[in-house]
Amino acid sequence: GAVVSQHPSWVICKSGTSVKIECRSLDFQATTMFWYRQFPKQSLMLMATSNEGSKATYEQGVEKDKFLINHASLTLSTLTVTSAHPEDSSFYICSARLETGGREQFFGPGTRLTVL
Amino acid sequence: AQSVAQPEDQVNVAEGNPLTVKCTYSVSGNPYLFWYVQYPNRGLQFLLKYITGDNLVKGSYGFEAEFNKSQTSFHLKKPSALVSDSALYFCAVRDIGGNLFFGTGTRLTVIP
Repeated sequence: GAVVSQHPSWVICKSGTSVKIECRSLDFQATTMFWYRQFPKQSLMLMATSNEGSKATYEQGVEKDKFLINHASLTLSTLTVTSAHPEDSSFYICSARLETGGREQFFGPGTRLTVL
Repeated sequence: AQSVAQPEDQVNVAEGNPLTVKCTYSVSGNPYLFWYVQYPNRGLQFLLKYITGDNLVKGSYGFEAEFNKSQTSFHLKKPSALVSDSALYFCAVRDIGGNLFFGTGTRLTVIP
């Protein structure tokens, strides 16, 4: 099946620094990738839809200047949390959509971000 | 607008007993419904989906789900629970644009 990887799997950073998270579709090309955020014991919240070669579409309430998304190729999307604060600590999950067949979404293993 | 409800935050079941995790949905048009499982500190793993066809859908790890149009439900079931089934389960509906909307999740605990 289609595999999506994320790197790093966990990261700890100091407040005020920026952190980049990579999402890769390993065996398929993904025009569209999604970034989710999950708080403890809560559901996934869609942050933005990442489109290859164009600007990401952000959900209401998500600061696009804080959560920078770049989808430079058909297999890579990156999420950069800029000037991170402790309240940005969360579990970030990406998914990539297969554009053929049933247009399934395949999820990465997630990245645990802790901001000190 | 699409939405999914999982009325139970927590479900406990004894090992070997049947389990049910409930999900109801609200969609305009034909529903595309999914179940995912999440283990601690991991991403979501696809279990099964309903697009069309038989109301009883069989998926991974012995799970199945029954689509009930009249009750707008898509409950996840397994005849005999395993301790290793303990995890967080999400029901989701996909809209016409291909975006997934998730329920709040149900934590399943299988007691040895």
